[in-house]
Formats: sequence, C-alpha cells, structure tokens
Amino acid sequence: EVQLVESGGGLVQPGGSLRLSCAASGFTFSSYWMSWVRQAPGKGLEWVANIKQDGSEKYYVDSVKGRFTISRDNAKNSLYLQMNSLRAEDTAVYYCARDVMAVAAIGDYWGQGTLVTVSS
Amino acid sequence: QSVLTQPPSASGTPGQRVTISCSGSSSNIGSNTVNWYQQLPGTAPKLLIYSNNQRPSGVPDRFSGSKSGTSASLAISGLQSEDEADYYCAAWDDSLNGPWVFGGGTKLTVL
Repeated sequence: EVQLVESGGGLVQPGGSLRLSCAASGFTFSSYWMSWVRQAPGKGLEWVANIKQDGSEKYYVDSVKGRFTISRDNAKNSLYLQMNSLRAEDTAVYYCARDVMAVAAIGDYWGQGTLVTVSS
Repeated sequence: QSVLTQPPSASGTPGQRVTISCSGSSSNIGSNTVNWYQQLPGTAPKLLIYSNNQRPSGVPDRFSGSKSGTSASLAISGLQSEDEADYYCAAWDDSLNGPWVFGGGTKLTVL
C-alpha cells in the first residue's frame, strides 16, 4: 500500500525557517517525481515545487523561489522541503504528492498534510 | 487569482448530472492534458481524472472528463450525497507560471 506521511509542521515566526519531511512507503520511491502542494486555510490548492527522480531537476512556483528548497534522499525514501524567510502568506497545510509524469498527472497519491503556521 | 478558472460553486439534486468547467490558455490546457481532483471535507485531495478523461482504478464511471481547446469539463452523473466536495482541475503549464497550475476549485453542493 502506497503511503506518504508528512511531518515537521508547526508554528514559526515571520522570517523563520522550517523543514518538512515526507516519508514514503509501498512503492519504489526513486522511480517517481515528487511534489509539494499547499493549501492555505479556506483556500484552494497551490503547487509549490517538484523534484525529479534523481534530484537533478527541481521546479518552484514563483512565490517561493529563493526561499524554499526541495530535496530528496532515495536511500531513506524521503522527500524534504526546506522553508526559509517564511511569511504569513506561507501559512497552509503542506501535502507531499507522488507524480506520474508518464501521464502528466500530479498527485496520484497524497499524504495527509502537515500544517505550517507563520505568525508572531 | 488562479491560472485556471473554475466557477466557485455548483449544485445539483441526487440523481442529476452536473458539470464543472475549467478554463485555461494555450500554455496549459491548450497544449497539455488536464487532471481533476476531489477533496472531501477535512481530507487530502484525491486524483479523480487524469489525461483529460482517464479514471484511476476505483473511481466510479459516474465521473468523466473532457477537453476542448483551452477548456476542460468534469461531469458527474447520477449525483450522490457523498459527491459533495471541492473539485479542482490542474494542468502542466509551459510558461513561467508552471510547471503545475491549479484551478481555484469548485464547491459542489448536493441539494
């Protein structure tokens, strides 16, 4: 059974940093692109970043470029999102999702999400 | 302001057929396939349709998708109370907006 479990969310002050993790199981993690998608309270979904199987390609939404870094450790079946210079508008539930690029599908499996709150 | 445009709300009665639209541009829907997601209250999104009209295993055939030009639609036939949820479209975007862009979501109410 495919499982994605996020962790690392919490309350952080503006300008602070946080590192999210996503533990994957039930599939060959190193064979898939992976994404982070967020959802602000009461708002819609926003794709944040994704990373190729070997980590050689990474893409970001404009609003997080230069502040967030996506990475992965295939030996640990884990996906990460390092978030620096956090702003109030980064407050959201962050989901990790498995991509299936062969059919141009983002998120055929999703984690349960982890809440990040940026507030003083 | 989302790159893909969806109506904020839709509604129908049990057994009815409803459609939800998703409008984009030549850089996203016009040149790439469309996916649809269902998000039940308090849960993570679920992939409902991929490649414009393909259903993942386990998704009822009451759900169908289509695409024409720079627009796409999700149709739900035989509407059921458990279909009440938020629905999102998404597509790869070839421009600087991307690569992935979502619609703003449509809240479906079953009356």
